[in-house]
Amino acid sequence: AQSVTQPDIHITVSEGASLELRCNYSYGATPYLFWYVQSPGQGLQLLLKYFSGDTLVQGIKGFEAEFKRSQSSFNLRKPSVHWSDAAEYFCAVGAKNNDMRFGAGTRLTVKP
Amino acid sequence: GAVVSQHPSRVICKSGTSVKIECRSLDFQATTMFWYRQFPKQSLMLMATSNEGSKATYEQGVEKDKFLINHASLTLSTLTVTSAHPEDSSFYICSARVHGQGPANYGYTFGSGTRLTVV
Repeated sequence: AQSVTQPDIHITVSEGASLELRCNYSYGATPYLFWYVQSPGQGLQLLLKYFSGDTLVQGIKGFEAEFKRSQSSFNLRKPSVHWSDAAEYFCAVGAKNNDMRFGAGTRLTVKP
Repeated sequence: GAVVSQHPSRVICKSGTSVKIECRSLDFQATTMFWYRQFPKQSLMLMATSNEGSKATYEQGVEKDKFLINHASLTLSTLTVTSAHPEDSSFYICSARVHGQGPANYGYTFGSGTRLTVV
């Protein structure tokens, strides 16, 4: 079965600084990879997803992620963080006809 | 886009009572829905997979008699927490798999979640 590891439980960055959230996956075949954001008490919002093709994926809100098969990684990046980006971020892996598995999440705090 | 409507968003119930949570796919047919549970400051844990017209498949450790799932139509799946206890207090989220033309349109859409508090 597929699994996801997010090594960083909590990250703090200054507003305007760049951001990278790490995600490593385990899956025997080509995975479908997702990044979601969750604000407190809210549901999940899809930031971006990767299925195939170009390994650099652009998402909403200025986020991007790069799929690196050799490293089994799908790290999320943003060049300049805004205070409104403070939230919980989840990496997830799915596969056709399979369910989706989530990482433990990374909580992002943005300092003014 | 594909939308899943989840209700209620918040519910408070007394210990020993049952609570039903509904998830409806508004503009597509959801043959498969997933139910997740999320404890505070933790990740989403898959509880069960429900397929329209058949019994749900529960993850290991999830009590099927306590968390009743019904997926009687292509647009509605329900989760009933029976004889709720304070330890059942959690955030419950449903999800539906969305099939489109080609993998680029394949994905999952989530309900907005239900905050259950058992007192």
